[in-house]
Amino acid sequence: QSVLTQPPSVSGAPGQRVTISCTGSSSNIGAIYDVHWYQQFPGTAPKLLMYGSSNRPSGVPDRFSGSKSGTSASLAITGLQAEDEADYYCQSYDDGVSGYVFGTGTKVTVL
Amino acid sequence: QVQLQQSGPGLVRPSQTLSLTCAISGDSVSRNGAAWNWIRQSPSRGLEWLGRTYYRSMWFHEYAASVKGRITINPDTSQSQFSLQLNSVTPDDTAVYYCVRGTSWSWGWYFDLWGRGTLVSVSS
Repeated sequence: QSVLTQPPSVSGAPGQRVTISCTGSSSNIGAIYDVHWYQQFPGTAPKLLMYGSSNRPSGVPDRFSGSKSGTSASLAITGLQAEDEADYYCQSYDDGVSGYVFGTGTKVTVL
Repeated sequence: QVQLQQSGPGLVRPSQTLSLTCAISGDSVSRNGAAWNWIRQSPSRGLEWLGRTYYRSMWFHEYAASVKGRITINPDTSQSQFSLQLNSVTPDDTAVYYCVRGTSWSWGWYFDLWGRGTLVSVSS
C-alpha cells in the first residue's frame, strides 16, 4: 500500500485550474525529503513533470506548478488543456520503509 | 539522446526467476550522480520502487523491504547496462517492470528517464 495519498480523480473544464494533493507523513514529505511529480498516459511510462517540489524539467509547460507545505504537497494545472488528461503521481522518500515511495495516483479528466 | 532499452521474457513460471536487462545508451552506468533503478507497476500495488545500483568509488545496491532477499540488481560496465533478477516469483509479481535512471537532488532522488516497460506475467 502506498504511503502517499492522492485523490483518485479530479476534473475541470478547459482553461480552468485544478490541483492535485499528495498527503504524506513525518517520515516522508514532512521530513527533509523532496516531492516529485510524474505524468503518465495510458500504455506509456511515467514522465517526470516536476522535481524538487516546484522545478519543471525542460519542455514542461509553465501551466504546471508545484508546492510543498508540512506533510503535504500539491500540483496545480492552470489553463487546463485536453492534452493534460492523464494520470499523475507524486513521489518521495520514506524513512519508515527506507525506500522511494509513490502516491496512489490521480486521474485528471478534462470535461 | 539518452535511452533505456529493456529486454527479457514476458512470461515467467511460478517459483522461477524473473530476469530483465536494461541497456543504457547516451549515458554510463558508472556515472557519478546517477542511480539505476527498477520500478514496477500493477493495478494492485500501483507504482513500486524495487531497488537500485549506483557507483560512488564503489558499487552500492539498495533494495525495497518488500522484495529484499529475492532481488538482485547488477551493473555491467562492459556493456553499459544493468539487470534485475527476482527469485521465487508468484502471480503477485505480475506487473509492468520499468528500468529507470535516478538523478540526485538536494534531498532525495527523482526519476528522470524511464524505459518503455516490460509486461511480465507470472503464470503456469
